Amino acid sequence: AQKVTQAQTEISVVEKEDVTLDCVYETRDTTYYLFWYKQPPSGELVFLIRRNSFDEQNEISGRYSWNFQKSTSSFNFTITASQVVDSAVYFCALSDMEYGNKLVFGAGTILRVKS
Amino acid sequence: DADVTQTPRNRITKTGKRIMLECSQTKGHDRMYWYRQDPGLGLRLIYYSFDVKDINKGEISDGYSVSRQAQAKFSLSLESAIPNQTALYFCATSDFSNQETQYFGPGTRLLVL
Repeated sequence: AQKVTQAQTEISVVEKEDVTLDCVYETRDTTYYLFWYKQPPSGELVFLIRRNSFDEQNEISGRYSWNFQKSTSSFNFTITASQVVDSAVYFCALSDMEYGNKLVFGAGTILRVKS
Repeated sequence: DADVTQTPRNRITKTGKRIMLECSQTKGHDRMYWYRQDPGLGLRLIYYSFDVKDINKGEISDGYSVSRQAQAKFSLSLESAIPNQTALYFCATSDFSNQETQYFGPGTRLLVL
């Protein structure tokens, strides 16, 4: 069975600090997708990134970067120079490629950025 | 206009009542999903549909039913609501052409008294 673990329930940082959100996953599939979603206080879910299991290249998008390591089954998310607007719940999710996109979510990490 | 809409956005109901949550999309996606979110548990899949004639149970389908009225519409029903169905419900859509990235509606907050 697939499983996603976000061990950090809540993280508090001061603005401009860097912060890394951890995500560890379990799957027997050899092909799969990994995702990160952001849920701001308003409640909607915002798609941030998709990574397929064939592509272990790290990705950077502005202040956001993602580190995918198959050897440790991890897909960590780093925010550089955090801002108050980054305060949200962040979810890591996993899906298989064979049976369509049934997402399995982690429990989420609450990020609080203080000014 | 939002690509994925959910109605109602908020709903309070009583135990035993039947209620329906509706989801509509203008993204032209063929796949639609219903999830519920509970604090500390993330989102869990209730039902999903890959096309109008395809309905599948997810992880936690007991107590729920769905209807795919058209490609763009996917409704979730609680036949006899109970308090532990109090949660935030999300509809999502995806399409094979976009490598199955799911896009979510704004959510429906349901309180069952």
